[in-house]
Amino acid sequence: GESVGLHLPTLSVQEGDNSIINCAYSNSASDYFIWYKQESGKGPQFIIDIRSNMDKRQGQRVTVLLNKTVKHLSLQIAATQPGDSAVYFCAETFSGGYQKVTFGTGTKLQVIP
Amino acid sequence: GAGVSQSPSNKVTEKGKDVELRCDPISGHTALYWYRQSLGQGLEFLIYFQGNSAPDKSGLPSDRFSAERTGGSVSTLTIQRTQQEDSAVYLCASSQSGVYNEQFFGPGTRLTVL
Repeated sequence: GESVGLHLPTLSVQEGDNSIINCAYSNSASDYFIWYKQESGKGPQFIIDIRSNMDKRQGQRVTVLLNKTVKHLSLQIAATQPGDSAVYFCAETFSGGYQKVTFGTGTKLQVIP
Repeated sequence: GAGVSQSPSNKVTEKGKDVELRCDPISGHTALYWYRQSLGQGLEFLIYFQGNSAPDKSGLPSDRFSAERTGGSVSTLTIQRTQQEDSAVYLCASSQSGVYNEQFFGPGTRLTVL
């Protein structure tokens, strides 16, 4: 069935280093992908999204890369800060559907001061 | 402007009891979603409302789960005859119409079934 999974369940990085969080998806029909950040005790918060007609999109300190050939998505965080510590989820959906979004398990990012 | 709010923030109930979880979406958002998040897991889609259209209930895990959205605004998720495996955080999100619109999440309701 459909699935969205992450390669790394936890990631520890030094403050100031760059972080890369990976995600694999299996539904080739998915054409819209989103990264969410979830801090402890809070709901997920949108970070950045990308449509399937793009392979890269940049935001403030974050970049999402999409490789449709291997169904892989990554989130890059530049100059990681302690405030970036959270669980990060990738999510996929198909724009022609009912906006049902499938979330991955999540990666916990720990920033070491 | 207020974000998505959910109540209660925590709910402890006994097995077999019914519970109601409430979601107040952002004003003007026509789309509303319910998700379930078990400890250390991702988000499991439950149900989706869009305007006056019939809801997408494909994610509801059993017929003990139901949801309503009154007047296109407030939504209530009801779980009947709760089981221990229903224990989780229930998250609500809302967005403007259209798949490319950001979903805004509430803080969730933590449900514990004893």
